[in-house]
Amino acid sequence: GAVVSQHPSRVICKSGTSVKIECRSLDFQATTMFWYRQFPKQSLMLMATSNEGSKATYEQGVEKDKFLINHASLTLSTLTVTSAHPEDSSFYICSARGQTDEKLFFGSGTQLSVL
Amino acid sequence: TQLLEQSPQFLSIQEGENLTVYCNSSSVFSSLQWYRQEPGEGPVLLVTVVTGGEVKKLKRLTFQFGDARKDSSLHITAAQPGDTGLYLCAGAQRGSQGNLIFGKGTKLSVKP
Repeated sequence: GAVVSQHPSRVICKSGTSVKIECRSLDFQATTMFWYRQFPKQSLMLMATSNEGSKATYEQGVEKDKFLINHASLTLSTLTVTSAHPEDSSFYICSARGQTDEKLFFGSGTQLSVL
Repeated sequence: TQLLEQSPQFLSIQEGENLTVYCNSSSVFSSLQWYRQEPGEGPVLLVTVVTGGEVKKLKRLTFQFGDARKDSSLHITAAQPGDTGLYLCAGAQRGSQGNLIFGKGTKLSVKP
């Protein structure tokens, strides 16, 4: 089946620094990628939709200047958490969708801890 | 706001018991997917149902899509400790760029 690689799986950073998370589709071209945030024992909350070659569409309440998304190719999208603060600590997950399939394939997630 | 109500939110049962998880909405979905997620990992797709009234079986798991494609259920027979995890339903709507609307999840704990 389709595979989505996300890394790093875990990152610890100091407050004020920026962290980049990568999401790669390994065996298919992902025209659309999604970024989610998940709090402990809760469901996934969509942050933004990323389309290759265009600006990401952010959900209401998500700061686009804080969570920078780049989808430069059909196999790679990145999420950069800028000037991270402790309240940004969370589990971030990406997913990717091919050109014709409604199925989404998820990365393994990134646990971000901001000290 | 499109909602997918999932219940129960928490479920703790003994090994060997049966259980059912429900997802309900007032919206029609072109397909509905069920995922299982382990702590610290991404969701893993279990099944996709597309046709109203469809029933799919995956070993001890039975998935059903409502006739009107607004609701779905997951039934687990003779639950085992290995079934423990977070179960998520997610609905897809046409023209939504493929984004899924997620239920809040059901945290299942199966005790030996």
